[in-house]
Amino acid sequence: EAGVTQFPSHSVIEKGQTVTLRCDPISGHDNLYWYRRVMGKEIKFLLHFVKESKQDESGMPNNRFLAERTGGTYSTLKVQPAELEDSGVYFCASSQDLITEAFFGQGTRLTVV
Amino acid sequence: QKEVEQNSGPLSVPEGAIASLNCTYSDRVSQSFFWYRQYSGKSPELIMSIYSNGDKEDGRFTAQLNKASQYVSLLIRDSQPSDSATYLCAVNLREGSEKLTFGTGTRLTIIP
Repeated sequence: EAGVTQFPSHSVIEKGQTVTLRCDPISGHDNLYWYRRVMGKEIKFLLHFVKESKQDESGMPNNRFLAERTGGTYSTLKVQPAELEDSGVYFCASSQDLITEAFFGQGTRLTVV
Repeated sequence: QKEVEQNSGPLSVPEGAIASLNCTYSDRVSQSFFWYRQYSGKSPELIMSIYSNGDKEDGRFTAQLNKASQYVSLLIRDSQPSDSATYLCAVNLREGSEKLTFGTGTRLTIIP
């Protein structure tokens, strides 16, 4: 069974540019989560999808971040325009039955220069 | 005060000894507690979950929860070099919420 897959693994962009991160959850997992770890800090929650619906987006930093999950399958997280403080590792996780068994992807390392 | 606190380490333990990792959390109503292991450059991997007071054992791993003291720990018996990793404590702080709040992680090194 394939795990949670994230693309790209690394991205380096200039301040002001747009970047789109993609997450493919484990097949059949209705719950999809985005988390972020900035340098030296803890992993922080961004948002939670149940199928295609946003269940909790309380962790989204600001309106430069837009997450979508069309059709309840893969999800994208777009940052537009990117700022220096957006640099970090973005993790996606998915679970079948809520957070008790969440599987994480390897993350996308985003560097904004 | 951080919501979930861990000693960042590094914690060095001789091979074969018991490694003890600790975590405290701020909210008394927290319901679910998890330990993740993360190797450098890899994804966090769930190794233990615990929901009620007491001990939960799984192989060489034991999770201990004390809700009165707001404290959760992870013991690794017979430590192996392959246990060297960062261990993340994660707490589901709010009932009805599915988000996890993580500590900064403890870097564990097992010395052969």
